[in-house]
Amino acid sequence: DGGITQSPKYLFRKEGQNVTLSCEQNLNHDAMYWYRQDPGQGLRLIYYSQIVNDFQKGDIAEGYSVSREKKESFPLTVTSAQKNPTAFYLCASRVTSVYSSYNEQFFGPGTRLTVL
Amino acid sequence: GQQVMQIPQYQHVQEGEDFTTYCNSSTTLSNIQWYKQRPGGHPVFLIQLVKSGEVKKQKRLTFQFGEAKKNSSLHITATQTTDVGTYFCAACSQGDNAGNNRKLIWGLGTSLGVNP
Repeated sequence: DGGITQSPKYLFRKEGQNVTLSCEQNLNHDAMYWYRQDPGQGLRLIYYSQIVNDFQKGDIAEGYSVSREKKESFPLTVTSAQKNPTAFYLCASRVTSVYSSYNEQFFGPGTRLTVL
Repeated sequence: GQQVMQIPQYQHVQEGEDFTTYCNSSTTLSNIQWYKQRPGGHPVFLIQLVKSGEVKKQKRLTFQFGEAKKNSSLHITATQTTDVGTYFCAACSQGDNAGNNRKLIWGLGTSLGVNP
C-alpha cells in the first residue's frame, strides 16, 4: 500500500532533550512538508522540501531542523531551543508538476509529542 | 503575510440541519483546496477549485469558488454524525510561482459538531 508513515504515534520527552520525528513516504512524491497543530488551531508550516537535498523554512522554523537526504524520508528534529514543543506534528507530501495548478497534499497520521 | 480567513470557528448543528463554512482572502487566489480532519485524525483532501465561479458537488457537499477568486464556501446539506470534524480551506495566491517553492496558506478551520 502506498502512503505516508509517521512514527511513533505518541512521544514523550523530558524538557531540554532533542527529539527526531520520522516521516516516510512511498508515493514517489517530490515535495514534503512538516506542520505543527496545537489544540483548536490550524496548521502552521515548519519546514518544506521540494526536492532531495533542499529545504526551506516555513512560518515557524525556529527551534526545529530537518534533512532531506532521500526522496522518501523527511525527518524533523525538535531541538531544546523550541520553547513550547508539545503539539501534534503532521507530515505531508505531494506530487509536483509544472502542468497542474497545485496537487493536493497527502498527510501522515501524525505524531503527538509531549514534553514533560 | 498572506492570510486566508475562515468562519465560523465552531458550529454545532442538529442532525439533518445544513452547515456552511466560508473562506475569504484579500488577494486573488490561484486555487483553493478543502480538507476534512476527523477528531484525532489527520487532514484528508476533499476537493480543489481552480476556475472563477466554479461549483463542485460531492453527494451532500457543495463547494463554490467566488467569481473574483477571493472567497470560497463549503456547504453540507442535511448533516449527519459522520460529518463531524474540522474543515479547512487552503490556497495558493495568484502571484505564487508555478512549480517550485509553492506552499499552501491554511485557514484556521471550522469545527463542526452534530447532535444526533
